[in-house]
Amino acid sequence: GAGVSQTPSNKVTEKGKYVELRCDPISGHTALYWYRQSLGQGPEFLIYFQGTGAADDSGLPNDRFFAVRPEGSVSTLKIQRTERGDSAVYLCASSSQGGRTDEQFFGPGTRLTVL
Amino acid sequence: SQQGEEDPQALSIQEGENATMNCSYKTSINNLQWYRQNSGRGLVHLILIRSNEREKHSGRLRVTLDTSKKSSSLLITASRAADTASYFCAPDTGRRALTFGSGTRLQVQP
Repeated sequence: GAGVSQTPSNKVTEKGKYVELRCDPISGHTALYWYRQSLGQGPEFLIYFQGTGAADDSGLPNDRFFAVRPEGSVSTLKIQRTERGDSAVYLCASSSQGGRTDEQFFGPGTRLTVL
Repeated sequence: SQQGEEDPQALSIQEGENATMNCSYKTSINNLQWYRQNSGRGLVHLILIRSNEREKHSGRLRVTLDTSKKSSSLLITASRAADTASYFCAPDTGRRALTFGSGTRLQVQP
């Protein structure tokens, strides 16, 4: 049983470029979450999917950030016109049904560095 | 939005000692979860305690919840070097997503 996987594990880009980060959740999990973690801080919520739809995107910092989950499985977080402040570890998690007591299973994260 | 605040920020102990971390939160909750994070990457769920529970055990972990004081504690007994990690609490916010504080960084010296 594979866990949550994320690709790439590391991404270095230049300011102003576009990046895509991919998350493969645990098979059968309907809920998928994206978090962002800066050094020395806890993960910060970005967006939550229930199936194919974004049920809560209140954590996205601005309109440069967008995420999709077209078939209710794999999700892609897209960041346009990257800024140095976007540098962080981007974590993806999934849970079986998205309930408030459901355990969330985290991937290893993608470390994004914007030069 | 509500988030847990872990205390202390950092803790260094010797292998075999017990480690206690605390979490405080602001509003009433239905449950609270604890997670561990090794090496700044993925988090691992440790335990969930519900508001009607005062104490819960899982292996070497003991979690308490005091809803009157709006606080929780995580005790790791007989610590091992492998317990070195950051520990986060996530009090239920009424949302599906978890809300974390800055965590407690535990260092267990062999």
